[in-house]
Amino acid sequence: DAMVIQNPRYQVTQFGKPVTLSCSQTLNHNVMYWYQQKSSQAPKLLFHYYDKDFNNEADTPDNFQSRRPNTSFCFLDIRSPGLGDTAMYLCATSSPTGEAFFGQGTRLTVV
Amino acid sequence: AQSVTQLGSHVSVSEGALVLLRCNYSSSVPPYLFWYVQYPNQGLQLLLKYTSAATLVKGINGFEAEFKKSETSFHLTKPSAHMSDAAEYFCAVTVSGGYQKVTFGTGTKLQVIP
Repeated sequence: DAMVIQNPRYQVTQFGKPVTLSCSQTLNHNVMYWYQQKSSQAPKLLFHYYDKDFNNEADTPDNFQSRRPNTSFCFLDIRSPGLGDTAMYLCATSSPTGEAFFGQGTRLTVV
Repeated sequence: AQSVTQLGSHVSVSEGALVLLRCNYSSSVPPYLFWYVQYPNQGLQLLLKYTSAATLVKGINGFEAEFKKSETSFHLTKPSAHMSDAAEYFCAVTVSGGYQKVTFGTGTKLQVIP
């Protein structure tokens, strides 16, 4: 059974048109992450939540925002996507031992 | 802060041959170490983890890894490669104690030659 679910799996959006990616989890973990992964690169952490506490990585562009309305759901909002934002976006949760559980990812293409 | 270094961005092995993917870590406190596998257009799937118990860790799909503190290594091995093992493999590190950031290596793409 899927424990971290991301929707949609594939998303195409126009340059500058806001887009929202969603993530839900059934693990009841306190910590949720959003990663950006460009082709042939390691996942890059954008931000994470510890419960409702939001933590932004220093180099995450202001264009990227996130919401976590409850434990189960987390959203990634890209306010004005650029061509360079084309990537796979991975949502994950973290167990108390640090093991990360990933969703299948959303492949975003900005045209 | 902790980090991992994966040696070799691409590794090719023949089907049936030994798979060895290298990972070295750096951490000022005892680390937790992980190997993840990623198939094309998929998320990351946990292969195995070391969290300070047994130093030889067995994972899914026949993979195992050994934590060697003296060498600061956590290399991933499999005795006999299958075609289905072709994927990208990521080593990752974190530390215990509440929330701690998980840091990934740059990945190793494994090619299996028939």
